[in-house]
Amino acid sequence: GAVVSQHPSRVICKSGTSVKIECRSLDFQATTMFWYRQFPKKSLMLMATSNEGSKATYEQGVEKDKFLINHASLTLSTLTVTSAHPEDSSFYICSASRGGPYNEQFFGPGTRLTVL
Amino acid sequence: QQQVKQSPQSLIVQKGGISIINCAYENTAFDYFPWYQQFPGKGPALLIAIRPDVSEKKEGRFTISFNKSAKQFSLHIMDSQPGDSATYFCAASIARGKLIFGQGTELSVKP
Repeated sequence: GAVVSQHPSRVICKSGTSVKIECRSLDFQATTMFWYRQFPKKSLMLMATSNEGSKATYEQGVEKDKFLINHASLTLSTLTVTSAHPEDSSFYICSASRGGPYNEQFFGPGTRLTVL
Repeated sequence: QQQVKQSPQSLIVQKGGISIINCAYENTAFDYFPWYQQFPGKGPALLIAIRPDVSEKKEGRFTISFNKSAKQFSLHIMDSQPGDSATYFCAASIARGKLIFGQGTELSVKP
């Protein structure tokens, strides 16, 4: 149990276009979903936390107008990178939590975004 | 302080040996300490986690040792195998809040 999927697994786009990444919890309802960014050989950097039906809470320094997060249901959250530029190229990973005493997070397989 | 400091940055171990990765924290309010394993190009996977009221937790070849007074915790991988070669992250959280990750340790197990 506790499987999280992401789609697409990799995407290449031209500078200026928008890209949507989906995160789904396949076998549980996620009370909270998280979006992370990871640079090569670096740790995970939390971008935002989202709860179903409410606005996402963004970490300091993350542009909310550039990284749009929607948490439409208890099993789906989306991250849209708007007007992507080469510096947005990165590995984006989502995680989902089903609550519980420690809000344990289960991670998706990640999405490799390359902006040309 | 919300940081979690992890060491070493990289580790090479012979097959069958013990891999040890250490983490240290400052904030005594942290109440949940998970370890994650990440293979290249994949998302992290939860390995094992511990609460501060427990000094040790073992699951198979993986053991967490927790020293509350020293504010340190460590991951021990017994009988290390080449398939264990991955990046390992420690993390900590407070009251079901966001995870604070360590810097990561790249483990290489040589056959």
